[in-house]
Amino acid sequence: GAGVSQSPRYKVAKRGQDVALRCDPISGHVSLFWYQQALGQGPEFLTYFQNEAQLDKSGLPSDRFFAERPEGSVSTLKIQRTQQEDSAVYLCASSLGQGAYQPQHFGDGTRLSIL
Amino acid sequence: DQQVKQNSPSLSVQEGRISILNCDYTNSMFDYFLWYKKYPAEGPTFLISISSIKDKNEDGRFTVFLNKSAKHLSLHIVPSQPGDSAVYFCAASDSGGSNYKLTFGKGTLLTVNP
Repeated sequence: GAGVSQSPRYKVAKRGQDVALRCDPISGHVSLFWYQQALGQGPEFLTYFQNEAQLDKSGLPSDRFFAERPEGSVSTLKIQRTQQEDSAVYLCASSLGQGAYQPQHFGDGTRLSIL
Repeated sequence: DQQVKQNSPSLSVQEGRISILNCDYTNSMFDYFLWYKKYPAEGPTFLISISSIKDKNEDGRFTVFLNKSAKHLSLHIVPSQPGDSAVYFCAASDSGGSNYKLTFGKGTLLTVNP
């Protein structure tokens, strides 16, 4: 498809398990972003890639969160030793260039529930 | 501390009337603002944006107004249609700093009644 694709759409995990969330950005998009959206809140910035380089990871809540984009295309957000407070929708977005002037195109998100 | 505030969690309007969604911000470094629209179980989609060098930007039925002195922006939808029913997020960025980073408000749920 032409849009940002995220998988899985839904993920249920037990507290303490590791999870991996995948993002396929729009082909040719240089910039890739991960956001966390808690219930009733707006998306909150987690991390930013320009091609394969992770230029900003200031929004990652803890060192249990790790993101990578090794070939500058597909990205994976990994959460180790999940906690209940990690339950949220994780949104991936991509844009053609860098900067806010290039609108970010969002995927439909992965809804993560930690039991 | 919410740097972008959407103080109305919900808004209901009649089809054909004007919808006005409001957004306030506290960070004076913000100079680029965007509105996103989100349907249930879908990701946000970009709607319209405005730079701080302007006070108005129009795209079809959608107009965004920016009042820098009041740190306030609003999205006007005229005329409103039932398909406009969605959550609307206001977002802001600082082009002089981490210009890729968007700060979002909590959103306003717009319901347009037929």
